[in-house]
Amino acid sequence: RKEVEQDPGPFNVPEGATVAFNCTYSNSASQSFFWYRQDCRKEPKLLMSVYSSGNEDGRFTAQLNRASQYISLLIRDSKLSDSATYLCVVNGGSSNTGKLIFGQGTTLQVKP
Amino acid sequence: DVKVTQSSRYLVKRTGEKVFLECVQDMDHENMFWYRQDPGLGLRLIYFSYDVKMKEKGDIPEGYSVSREKKERFSLILESASTNQTSMYLCASSAGTANTGELFFGEGSRLTVL
Repeated sequence: RKEVEQDPGPFNVPEGATVAFNCTYSNSASQSFFWYRQDCRKEPKLLMSVYSSGNEDGRFTAQLNRASQYISLLIRDSKLSDSATYLCVVNGGSSNTGKLIFGQGTTLQVKP
Repeated sequence: DVKVTQSSRYLVKRTGEKVFLECVQDMDHENMFWYRQDPGLGLRLIYFSYDVKMKEKGDIPEGYSVSREKKERFSLILESASTNQTSMYLCASSAGTANTGELFFGEGSRLTVL
C-alpha cells in the first residue's frame, strides 16, 4: 500500500462546478498535511496547509479526518485557471526529522 | 521572493557518464532536498540535507550521491548514469523543521540518459 494515495483522475468539470479530491495516508503518526498545486510543466507550489479544525482560503477548503486517515480538498466555483495537478503531502511521522511524502497527484481539468 | 535555481533545465547524457545537477537557494534555508518525479509515481525523495555537510538518504538513494559544502548549494551527483535515471529532477528548500515548513521548488531539470 502506498503511504499517500490519491485518485489520479483526471477530473473533468465545467466552469462553476464544485469538485472534491480525497487523499488517504497510512501513517497514523503523521502530524502535518498539505495540498500543493502543480501546473503543467511547472514546479509544485504550496496551495494550503491542512489543519485539524479544517481551513478555508477563498474558494478552497481543506479538511482532515484523523480517525479515517484522509484529507480532502474542496474547490467551489471552479475556474479555468484551477486546471492543474493537486498533490497531497503528508509528513512521514511524528519525528521532527521526518520527511514529507507526496501522493502522485490528482489532475483537474476545468472546461468552459 | 524565494528563489531556488537549478543550473540546467534540460540535459542529455550517455549511459555511464557522470552527471552533476546543481541547486542554489537564496533564502538562507536550512533544509534542502532532491526529488525525482515520474509519471504514475509522483515525487520521490532521493536525498535531503538539514545543514551544511549533512545529508540523509531518502526513499531512493541508490545510484545517487549529494554534496552540501555551502548552505545555499546542494548538488546531486549521478556517478554513472543509467537509462532508468531518465526523469525530472526537482530541488527544493525549506526553513525550520524539515517536515513542517513550506517547500520551495526549483523549475526542475529534465535528464535524459541514452
